[in-house]
Amino acid sequence: DTAVSQTPKYLVTQMGNDKSIKCEQNLGHDTMYWYKQDSKKFLKIMFSYNNKELIINETVPNRFSPKSPDKAHLNLHINSLELGDSAVYFCASSQVNLAGGFQETQYFGPGTRLLVL
Amino acid sequence: KNEVEQSPQNLTAQEGEFITINCSYSVGISALHWLQQHPGGGIVSLFMLSSGKKKHGRLIATINIQEKHSSLHITASHPRDSAVYICAVKPFGNEKLTFGTGTRLTIIP
Repeated sequence: DTAVSQTPKYLVTQMGNDKSIKCEQNLGHDTMYWYKQDSKKFLKIMFSYNNKELIINETVPNRFSPKSPDKAHLNLHINSLELGDSAVYFCASSQVNLAGGFQETQYFGPGTRLLVL
Repeated sequence: KNEVEQSPQNLTAQEGEFITINCSYSVGISALHWLQQHPGGGIVSLFMLSSGKKKHGRLIATINIQEKHSSLHITASHPRDSAVYICAVKPFGNEKLTFGTGTRLTIIP
């Protein structure tokens, strides 16, 4: 069974369009993340949600809006897509006890390769 | 300068060689992760450690908190170990991971 799944795997779209990437985890984790990997393969966090609440919001354009309908899902919606948004987007999840500062291993989804033309 | 530096950036070795990949960081951390990104793009978490040493099969990860340094070792390397290995740290008081730029390892049969 897939632990962290993302759809779609590939997304090719025109500049200016609005698109969504979905992420689901069946691990029972309470924290989910979105990462962007650029053309130089550098990973950078974008957002993190803990129990449906936003806990990390890095400096990303507000065209990017995460939505967490429940703790097993964290979707990423991107408005007015630009050429520079082309990248691979990874979703991940972990079990984090924020009060105790306990960090667990992160499990990554397979990635969504976004190409904006 | 990136908070997390890895060396070497690229490494090519013959099958069977002992491999060492290094990671240095500049901030106090609560945990360090080693990740493996396959040629197909998928990312797998190999280790999470905050002190000492961990071993899983042919992989060994060590960390020296005082020196702010970690190493990932692969014994008896195999072509299927070819991948990008990424070091990531979780600074104190910060919930986000900061990533190194990765080390591309190629093992030649």
